[in-house]
Amino acid sequence: AQSVAQPEDQVNVAEGNPLTVKCTYSVSGNPYLFWYVQYPNRGLQFLLKYITGDNLVKGSYGFEAEFNKSQTSFHLKKPSALVSDSALYFCAVRGYSGAGSYQLTFGKGTKLSVIP
Amino acid sequence: EAGVAQSPRYKIIEKRQSVAFWCNPISGHATLYWYQQILGQGPKLLIQFQNNGVVDDSQLPKDRFSAERLKGVDSTLKIQPAKLEDSAVYLCASSPQGYNQPQHFGDGTRLSIL
Repeated sequence: AQSVAQPEDQVNVAEGNPLTVKCTYSVSGNPYLFWYVQYPNRGLQFLLKYITGDNLVKGSYGFEAEFNKSQTSFHLKKPSALVSDSALYFCAVRGYSGAGSYQLTFGKGTKLSVIP
Repeated sequence: EAGVAQSPRYKIIEKRQSVAFWCNPISGHATLYWYQQILGQGPKLLIQFQNNGVVDDSQLPKDRFSAERLKGVDSTLKIQPAKLEDSAVYLCASSPQGYNQPQHFGDGTRLSIL
């Protein structure tokens, strides 16, 4: 079965500084990886995905993610953090459920706080 | 385009009562998902529909949870009877057909069991 680990419950960064939110994964076969963001009392919003190709994936709102196959990691990055980036971030991997379908398995989330 | 619509936004019930949630996916999206998100955790898939057929309900507690997607559009998720551990946010998502399509989420229903 597939799994996702987000080792940091919370990440604090000063506004204007670069940010990194870490994610490692485990899955059989080729990895299909996703990042989502969740604001308070809202659903998840898609940021970016890695399916194949370049290891650096660019997404919405200036976010990007670096895929590293040897380290089974997919860290989310942004060169310059904004206060409005403060939210809950989820990494997810798509894998075979064993019940006839492919499903997303999410990490437990990392709370990002950008300090003015 | 209009997003995924869910109602109600909040629901408070007593244990052993029943409750139902409604979801209207993005127009044209063939695949619909129901997730349970417990506080401090990531969403967990309960059931996945492809058009009006069930693709995966392996993590749905079928003794108390049921779901349907009539005519391949709207969907309802029901809990009967509710238990204290069912307190969570129930998220509906939809996506176009295709295994690498991103899912679009509604804002969820926050369920509190007293």
